[in-house]
Amino acid sequence: AQSVTQLDSHVSVSEGTPVLLRCNYSSSYSPSLFWYVQHPNKGLQLLLKYTSAATLVKGINGFEAEFKKSETSFHLTKPSAHMSDAAEYFCVVSVVGSSNTGKLIFGQGTTLQVKP
Amino acid sequence: DTEVTQTPKHLVMGMTNKKSLKCEQHMGHRAMYWYKQKAKKPPELMFVYSYEKLSINESVPSRFSPECPNSSLLNLHLHALQPEDSALYLCASSHRDRGLSSYNSPLHFGNGTRLTVT
Repeated sequence: AQSVTQLDSHVSVSEGTPVLLRCNYSSSYSPSLFWYVQHPNKGLQLLLKYTSAATLVKGINGFEAEFKKSETSFHLTKPSAHMSDAAEYFCVVSVVGSSNTGKLIFGQGTTLQVKP
Repeated sequence: DTEVTQTPKHLVMGMTNKKSLKCEQHMGHRAMYWYKQKAKKPPELMFVYSYEKLSINESVPSRFSPECPNSSLLNLHLHALQPEDSALYLCASSHRDRGLSSYNSPLHFGNGTRLTVT
């Protein structure tokens, strides 16, 4: 079975300090992994995606994530947090090659708070 | 601004009303989705259309009726809803061709319709 676990439901950082949002996945098939961000009362916006190319993926707004197969992790990082980064972040896996082809599996989300 | 447009932004309806949610995209995507999202929760898949045909129905109650009139439009018809159906309804679209790799295409979401059932 496929699953996604976001290890922290809430992360609080100070503006200008690094951000780390943790995600572990479980998949019997070759996964594609995504990070989406959702600001209040908005839809989800794609930050970055991994689809079996480079293991270090760069996204928008200075975010990046590293795919580590040995650790089944896909953690999201940013060197310096900005106030506008405060939002809900979802780690998502897409599964191809099973009966669930095409379905997305969402993590429970991590709320990022950025303090001035 | 998103490339997926949803109307209305907000909707309040009674349990006996009939209303429709609308979604439009002009990116040439051939897969379109309806998701339901409750507060502080991830989106839950309701329906998927692929090439204007319903391909996934996640056992959604019949009071929700999707429709895909053409490749750019997606509707969700609502009838006899319950208060627990109050949520943010998100539409999304993605690239889809006949190859399996297109199932990894990212979704483009609209900003949603905030539905309140009274």
